[in-house]
Amino acid sequence: QKEVEQNSGPLSVPEGAIASLNCTYSDRGSQSFFWYRQYSGKSPELIMFIYSNGDKEDGRFTAQLNKASQYVSLLIRDSQPSDSATYLCAVNAPNTGNQFYFGTGTSLTVIP
Amino acid sequence: SAVISQKPSRDICQRGTSLTIQCQVDSQVTMMFWYRQQPGQSLTLIATANQGSEATYESGFVIDKFPISRPNLTFSTLTVSNMSPEDSSIYLCSGQRLAGGTDTQYFGPGTRLTVL
Repeated sequence: QKEVEQNSGPLSVPEGAIASLNCTYSDRGSQSFFWYRQYSGKSPELIMFIYSNGDKEDGRFTAQLNKASQYVSLLIRDSQPSDSATYLCAVNAPNTGNQFYFGTGTSLTVIP
Repeated sequence: SAVISQKPSRDICQRGTSLTIQCQVDSQVTMMFWYRQQPGQSLTLIATANQGSEATYESGFVIDKFPISRPNLTFSTLTVSNMSPEDSSIYLCSGQRLAGGTDTQYFGPGTRLTVL
């Protein structure tokens, strides 16, 4: 059973639209949840993290967490072509030695 | 964030040889990890680099193939030994530190390895 699951996509949205990226996790003991952006040929870059139920906003990005449903999402408002990348969801489970579990990533393309 | 550097950034190696990758992190990093990312795939954790002691390897990775050292808090090396074309991958070093109330991982720029 995979620890973290994401729809691999590809997901395509027009410029200016809202992109919605989803992630589910299996370990109910997970406490912190992270979104990374990875451009082709580059290393993952942290966008934001969340650890409380509800929404957390940072600029055009909003992370949403629902621990009861074991679900975390990332919304990108006013999507730009520069947002085209692979987005990795990661989960930190302290009961497994603070290891991070990464999803397989969702490829996002923003069409000008 | 954390400042993490890695070298070399890329290399092309012959089968049967070894390559050592270096990773330097800033002093606020507490834990260091090594990952592999094969083309089109997500990240696979190789091991946790432990300061002054043997690394903790994940299933499928062994010390003889991927010896890791971490002589101090801010420096670690990963060696890919007796390489084969299947070892062609991006190798990523990450550092973990407390940020915003939670442990957070940051990645170095990666080493792109091609084995011929």
